[in-house]
Amino acid sequence: DAGITQSPRHKVTETGTPVTLRCHQTENHRYMYWYRQDPGHGLRLIHYSYGVKDTDKGEVSDGYSVSRSKTEDFLLTLESATSSQTSVYFCAISMGTGRNQPQHFGDGTRLSIL
Amino acid sequence: QQQVKQSPQSLIVQKGGISIINCAYENTAFDYFPWYQQFPGKGPALLIAIRPDVSEKKEGRFTISFNKSAKQFSLHIMDSQPGDSATYFCAAREEGSARQLTFGSGTQLTVLP
Repeated sequence: DAGITQSPRHKVTETGTPVTLRCHQTENHRYMYWYRQDPGHGLRLIHYSYGVKDTDKGEVSDGYSVSRSKTEDFLLTLESATSSQTSVYFCAISMGTGRNQPQHFGDGTRLSIL
Repeated sequence: QQQVKQSPQSLIVQKGGISIINCAYENTAFDYFPWYQQFPGKGPALLIAIRPDVSEKKEGRFTISFNKSAKQFSLHIMDSQPGDSATYFCAAREEGSARQLTFGSGTQLTVLP
């Protein structure tokens, strides 16, 4: 167990509403990631963080913002949700500082935007 | 742009058989190649990983074969079991990239009893 908690686990909301997903880790790891998973696309990186207040964009960052004010929490915000953002969202953390340190994933948030 | 191409999309194998999933990549800067296993309702879990300086890595019934010149790598599951039924993702990471992973599109494996 990598000590990752995602909340909420499920959410249904309407187009145009703001949505915030939370990732909480108990391991004090430096790197945190947000991915979305869609059929036929695998997992695609949205944003990542390499420290408190240090974040950068991934492959599919349009429409998303992130914040990391504490080591343990990484928030993903959809400012104005659209139906194309219906997906399963996964948070991941990278353990340690070695070259081969793997990423470990939470159990996801299933987000439906009607 | 899909930097890691995975095949097949789905695979059905009889219990005791060998499951083979293939991945190909284009970016020669990739230096770390993990495989993840995902069960319904759960996040991907690291299964096995390899670096390009070795051609094969084995852990129990799971083996990664790596062909650097062809830019291909594959996962072999020996003596496949119904409990192996899951979605498998290959991935790759570029050296010095803050450990970001690029994933393949996934293979849904079904092992029949």
